[in-house]
Amino acid sequence: GESVGLHLPTLSVQEGDNSIINCAYSNSASDYFIWYKQESGKGPQFIIDIRSNMDKRQGQRVTVLLNKTVKHLSLQIAATQPGDSAVYFCAEKESGGGADGLTFGKGTHLIIQP
Amino acid sequence: GAVVSQHPSWVICKSGTSVKIECRSLDFQATTMFWYRQFPKQSLMLMATSNEGSKATYEQGVEKDKFLINHASLTLSTLTVTSAHPEDSSFYICSAIGARYEQYFGPGTRLTVT
Repeated sequence: GESVGLHLPTLSVQEGDNSIINCAYSNSASDYFIWYKQESGKGPQFIIDIRSNMDKRQGQRVTVLLNKTVKHLSLQIAATQPGDSAVYFCAEKESGGGADGLTFGKGTHLIIQP
Repeated sequence: GAVVSQHPSWVICKSGTSVKIECRSLDFQATTMFWYRQFPKQSLMLMATSNEGSKATYEQGVEKDKFLINHASLTLSTLTVTSAHPEDSSFYICSAIGARYEQYFGPGTRLTVT
């Protein structure tokens, strides 16, 4: 999801359900993408990454999908747990610039309902 | 491994004073560190790239004379907010580049300028 103005979009799911968080990026030269989880008052925590030569990558309970044609990235979280409640950001960069900073997306606030 | 710390975790200062924030890579050396700023309910915005032994590179719109960066060793970068004003109140987050160009984020520093 993308934010409108200053408000983060919110996704509310029931505990145990699957969630899908979306992200659109604009730089067609970006070829390295990362999903981060950020809890209130803390720094971003790495979840999973994917390079542009792949369209899917799986981790533990998480899957990232990349559609380069429409410049879209998604994060799927399976069997959500209360501890998954956080703000999720996608980030991108051109990996040719190995020591470059990241460009962050606008974030989605995931709320897990008991 | 790959732990990044920040000090202080929060600071309150009066308008017009300067504040120094430290970013340390605890168990690895980082020739490159980054400083990000995050306003409430917004995403992280890259402020500058801190390079050990050389001048920092600032993103467009970030005043280099206001946000002084020093990267005097391979494990420490400092950000000094000079003549702070209430609009500088924000969450400042650093990251450090590891050996394979992955970024490790610090826990952030909450700055409040009164």
